[in-house]
Amino acid sequence: GQQVMQIPQYQHVQEGEDFTTYCNSSTTLSNIQWYKQRPGGHPVFLIQLVKSGEVKKQKRLTFQFGEAKKNSSLHITATQTTDVGTYFCDTPDNYGQNFVFGPGTRLSVLP
Amino acid sequence: KAGVTQTPRYLIKTRGQQVTLSCSPISGHRSVSWYQQTPGQGLQFLFEYFSETQRNKGNFPGRFSGRQFSNSRSEMNVSTLELGDSALYLCASTINPQMFPYNEQFFGPGTRLTVL
Repeated sequence: GQQVMQIPQYQHVQEGEDFTTYCNSSTTLSNIQWYKQRPGGHPVFLIQLVKSGEVKKQKRLTFQFGEAKKNSSLHITATQTTDVGTYFCDTPDNYGQNFVFGPGTRLSVLP
Repeated sequence: KAGVTQTPRYLIKTRGQQVTLSCSPISGHRSVSWYQQTPGQGLQFLFEYFSETQRNKGNFPGRFSGRQFSNSRSEMNVSTLELGDSALYLCASTINPQMFPYNEQFFGPGTRLTVL
């Protein structure tokens, strides 16, 4: 079945440093969603990307969809302790009926 | 608009027992998906219901089952509980996964199940 890979699995950064997580697929994606899950919480929807090469920004967060629609990235500028959590990407499966989640990138921010 | 609600929030059971979890989706959302989340395992898809029909099922044993009612509320049942079933069970609602591109999922707070 369709698989979505995410790298890195873990990332520890000093507060103020930048952070990037990547989501990669071997197949072309129709769209991709990003979620954030705080420790002890549940996934919360962040953004949806649909168009090839699309770039969206939310304050310090920049989301990008690859030109070939096979990868996506989430970049956080000047991380803060509030950014701590696990970031997941998810995309509809090949049949467009279900969602496939990446394994997530766990971000730790040291004050 | 109220978010996705799940009950109960916490549950402790013993091996061999069964459990039923409930999920109420956002009003107007007809699709409900269930996920199991364990430390280090990410989100494992269990099944998805749409208009009272199970459309998709993940790779879980038959002990895991579910249903959806006409008001879109969904229940998940696990029979003959095993220690490995201890996890956070999340449900997510969406308007319709096939209704591109309005297919973002909204998650409930989850039910944390502990099997002793």
